[in-house]
Amino acid sequence: EVQLLESGGGLVTGGSLRLSCAASGFTFSTYAMAWARQAPGKGMEWVSTINHYGNTYYADFAQGRFTISRDNSRNTLFLQMNNLRAEDTAVYYCAKRDKYFFDSWGQGTLVTVSS
Amino acid sequence: TVVTQEPSFSVSPGGTVTLTCGLSFDSVSTNYYPSWYQQTPGQAPRTLIYNTYTRSSGVPDRFSGSIVGNKAALTITGAQADDESDYYCVLYMGNGISVFGTGTKVIVL
Repeated sequence: EVQLLESGGGLVTGGSLRLSCAASGFTFSTYAMAWARQAPGKGMEWVSTINHYGNTYYADFAQGRFTISRDNSRNTLFLQMNNLRAEDTAVYYCAKRDKYFFDSWGQGTLVTVSS
Repeated sequence: TVVTQEPSFSVSPGGTVTLTCGLSFDSVSTNYYPSWYQQTPGQAPRTLIYNTYTRSSGVPDRFSGSIVGNKAALTITGAQADDESDYYCVLYMGNGISVFGTGTKVIVL
């Protein structure tokens, strides 16, 4: 059974935060992984994807501020978020990608950015 | 890029509802690999449909995906009370980029 467990969220005043997603139940190194987010009361929004080669892709709002990475030896996905803004306040979800869609989801971790 | 969905739909128990997913600048085709997700408040999304038509494992067959006109569509046939949720489509734009639709709230009453 695929399990994705996010951690690292919390309250931050500007600055930076690093999210982690511990994966189990599948061969982590062979799958693309992604982050998506949902601001309070708003819709879902794709943030970033990293494929199994390590190629990275970002939404416009994340480009230059967020960095997605993975450690295949630890079956862990990361999202380094710098220069955080109030509008980055959201629940951040880790997702396993299967080619063109998200096939499994974590429960999410809440990031609150206080100005 | 804006992926547009209806803001809300009401459906009676046992009824049928079709949600759509459109693009402002193009017709949605299978080349966008439409997928659909269900989300209840406070919960993670659940994958329903991928690659336009394919149901994810464990998804009841009352959920079906298609292309209707120039949009992707999700049809719920024989709606049940626990289908009351938010539904999101996702289109794959190429170059690793995915875009979520604006979401549709389905009310069963």
